[in-house]
Amino acid sequence: LAKTTQPISMDSYEGQEVNITCSHNNIATNDYITWYQQFPSQGPRFIIQGYKTKVTNEVASLFIPADRKSSTLSLPRVSLSDTAVYYCLVGNDMRFGAGTRLTVKP
Amino acid sequence: ETGVTQSPTHLIKTRGQQVTLRCSSQSGHNTVSWYQQALGQGPQFIFQYYREEENGRGNFPPRFSGLQFPNYSSELNVNALELDDSALYLCASSPKFDRAGGYTFGSGTRLTVV
Repeated sequence: LAKTTQPISMDSYEGQEVNITCSHNNIATNDYITWYQQFPSQGPRFIIQGYKTKVTNEVASLFIPADRKSSTLSLPRVSLSDTAVYYCLVGNDMRFGAGTRLTVKP
Repeated sequence: ETGVTQSPTHLIKTRGQQVTLRCSSQSGHNTVSWYQQALGQGPQFIFQYYREEENGRGNFPPRFSGLQFPNYSSELNVNALELDDSALYLCASSPKFDRAGGYTFGSGTRLTVV
């Protein structure tokens, strides 16, 4: 099962772009990479999923290099409401790590 | 389509008691996973059910058990409650069990053991 490593916390300011990188060195050939967002006392919410190169939706972009051993979640122009914990998961291994606590300041 | 619904939203139990938590999967989803989330920590995987069979289990003792019904709803049962079982319990469902993930989570049940 692929293990993931993310920074414990990050700070940003409103309007900035935030990039959160996740390492997954032993990702399997068929594994997708999925990111979730969680607010306090709520269940995690699916943000974006990708397999290779770049995926973009209305919320975020996901960049995956050719070796797929890492991925970067990019949040454009964050607002205070983006303050949350962000989790990276690989494949069907639905085991969450500690995630990255993003704090957006005014 | 409806999302994942969990009940109850909150409950308080006494140490040693038993509790049953319920989850209604999103329509069309046949895979359900349960998680325990202590304050300040990430969700910890308890187990997963696929078509009524347990399909993977985390590092939780046997007093944590589950069921999935033909309509894909699910229950989490915890016997002999301990104080450390106090946590947010989350249920997540998916349309199929494969490597292309993408689960929908409920809002959770907040269990307090006193």
